[in-house]
Amino acid sequence: GAVVSQHPSWVICKSGTSVKIECRSLDFQATTMFWYRQFPKQSLMLMATSNEGSKATYEQGVEKDKFLINHASLTLSTLTVTSAHPEDSSFYICSASSSEAYNEQFFGPGTRLTVL
Amino acid sequence: RKEVEQDPGPFNVPEGATVAFNCTYSNSASQSFFWYRQDCRKEPKLLMSVYSSGNEDGRFTAQLNRASQYISLLIRDSKLSDSATYLCVVNSYSSASKIIFGSGTRLSIRP
Repeated sequence: GAVVSQHPSWVICKSGTSVKIECRSLDFQATTMFWYRQFPKQSLMLMATSNEGSKATYEQGVEKDKFLINHASLTLSTLTVTSAHPEDSSFYICSASSSEAYNEQFFGPGTRLTVL
Repeated sequence: RKEVEQDPGPFNVPEGATVAFNCTYSNSASQSFFWYRQDCRKEPKLLMSVYSSGNEDGRFTAQLNRASQYISLLIRDSKLSDSATYLCVVNSYSSASKIIFGSGTRLSIRP
C-alpha cells in the first residue's frame, strides 16, 4: 500500500514557539492532503484539506493564521502551529489521497505535540 | 446531533465471540463509507470499504443500510489481535468533499 511519512514523530516545545510538521507521500502523488487533530480518547477531527498548489480549506473553528498549511508539491504538505500554547498539545495526523483513489486515504504515523 | 455517531463502548468480549458495531450518519447525501481500525497511539488504518450490497473480508462483514442511514461491522471468531478502536468514516460528496470520522468504538477481546 501507499506510504505516508510524518516528521517529527514527537515534539516538545515551549509556549509561544512555532512548530512545523511535515507530511510526505513516499510512493505516490498526493493531490489532496488532510490534516487531523486527535485529543486523548477522542476521534480524529479534520482541521483542513489542502490541494497541491492551492490554499487550504479550513474547517469551521480552525484558525488559518494559527495553523499554517503549505502544500507546495505533490509529495509534501506542511503544517505549522504558530505561537503554540499548551491547549494545542495533541496528536496531529496527516493523510493523503491521489486523484486515482480519492476515496482512500493513507495516514501518516502522526506527530505528538506537547507544548509546555 | 453528530453527523456520524458510534457507540463508544467499550465492548469486552471473549476470544472467539462474534461482535457487531453500528454507526449512524445524518447526511443522506453521503456516498462513501469505510471502517478504519486504530490501535492505541497509532494512526488509523483502513479496515474495509462498505459497499451498498454488503461485503465480506475474511472474518469481517460490513453492511450499509441507506434507508435507515447506518452501517455495520460484524467480526466473527474474534481474536485477541482484534482489540482496537474501530472508526466509522463517512464521505459526503456535496459542494465540497467532507470526510467525517465517528468517535470510535473500543473493542477489547479477552482470553
